[in-house]
Amino acid sequence: NAGVTQTPKFRVLKTGQSMTLLCAQDMNHEYMYWYRQDPGMGLRLIHYSVGEGTTAKGEVPDGYNVSRLKKQNFLLGLESAAPSQTSVYFCASSYPDRGDGQPQHFGDGTRLSIL
Amino acid sequence: AQSVTQLDSQVPVFEEAPVELRCNYSSSVSVYLFWYVQYPNQGLQLLLKYLSGSTLVKGINGFEAEFNKSQTSFHLRKPSVHISDTAEYFCAVSGLPANDYKLSFGAGTTVTVRA
Repeated sequence: NAGVTQTPKFRVLKTGQSMTLLCAQDMNHEYMYWYRQDPGMGLRLIHYSVGEGTTAKGEVPDGYNVSRLKKQNFLLGLESAAPSQTSVYFCASSYPDRGDGQPQHFGDGTRLSIL
Repeated sequence: AQSVTQLDSQVPVFEEAPVELRCNYSSSVSVYLFWYVQYPNQGLQLLLKYLSGSTLVKGINGFEAEFNKSQTSFHLRKPSVHISDTAEYFCAVSGLPANDYKLSFGAGTTVTVRA
């Protein structure tokens, strides 16, 4: 019963390095999301996808790129990491609204520190 | 666009006492409302949701919330808390029509239950 799996769980980067966070879901959800969580700010949407091959910007997209080449995977890339991107990153997935409010299912997060 | 304000950042409470977490939202359209819980070092889990109908919504682990449209509030309550309820709680809103799938989260309320 995996649900939403995020890889890696922890990572430390130096300023200017690049990396990719992987999100995989086994629930056949069409929609996938990337959020960042910072103290006192709740979760903020970075990018999202409504289907394979489609992506869109969320509230805080600058400095990030995403790709959804397969329905079950959603990748978040940091092109040139900055200390301001130190955060906990959450991936989530959901169905389109089927009358049930479209609840999102979350992974356990990736803790990323940029030195 | 929608926004959420959680009125308390931290709520300390004794075991077996009641707790109320306050959430106000802002939206120019009809909304879906959610409460999520985040236990330490975990992702978010759905506690309950309001879609339509009865304004009193019951969720998991003995939690309930009441939707008040005139006061644009969605407060979460539990009549008797346990140590295991220590967690961070997030209120979230999604605007309708249903294809507006983005969630806006509040900043979170940390509940600490003491014996």
